[in-house]
Amino acid sequence: SQKIEQNSEALNIQEGKTATLTCNYTNYSPAYLQWYRQDPGRGPVFLLLIRENEKEKRKERLKVTFDTTLKQSLFHITASQPADSATYLCALRGQAGTALIFGKGTTLSVSS
Amino acid sequence: DAMVIQNPRYQVTQFGKPVTLSCSQTLNHNVMYWYQQKSSQAPKLLFHYYDKDFNNEADTPDNFQSRRPNTSFCFLDIRSPGLGDAAMYLCATSGHWDGETQYFGPGTRLLVL
Repeated sequence: SQKIEQNSEALNIQEGKTATLTCNYTNYSPAYLQWYRQDPGRGPVFLLLIRENEKEKRKERLKVTFDTTLKQSLFHITASQPADSATYLCALRGQAGTALIFGKGTTLSVSS
Repeated sequence: DAMVIQNPRYQVTQFGKPVTLSCSQTLNHNVMYWYQQKSSQAPKLLFHYYDKDFNNEADTPDNFQSRRPNTSFCFLDIRSPGLGDAAMYLCATSGHWDGETQYFGPGTRLLVL
């Protein structure tokens, strides 16, 4: 069956460190993968999209990698800050014309 | 600023009493989506509209209906809410069905008593 797994429900790190979040998927061949941020009681906010032919994408302190062989995306936040504390969701679309599927998310807590 | 607005932010209803949640957008997007999200779970797509075309996900209960009277507005009707329908309901939009970015509203938290 098709699955998206974000490997840990919670990740706690210290301010200034790099946070690395993992998204694994099975039985999909996505054309692209997305990452969203969700704060408590709010809707998700789009952060980054990476396509199947891209290995890495960066935006300010954020970096996403996509390994279609491993069926895995890594999401990095460098020089993390307490304001980065939130839940981060990965999402992908399986076949064209099908819905965007979200993972459960990883809740990141950055302590000062 | 262009945005997706959901009202109300919190809704309390009684078991079995119909309830309507609303969503509006100023992005002029073709596609509007309704998701259900329970605590610590992934958002689950209930249905979407591409313009006036309604598309129901196969596992969306019949208890959930939707209306889109115009481009800007979309409503989620829950005909007979059960305790299991308590959740956050998220509205989202995108320019196209295969639109690469979805823009979400702040959500409506539904409590069923």
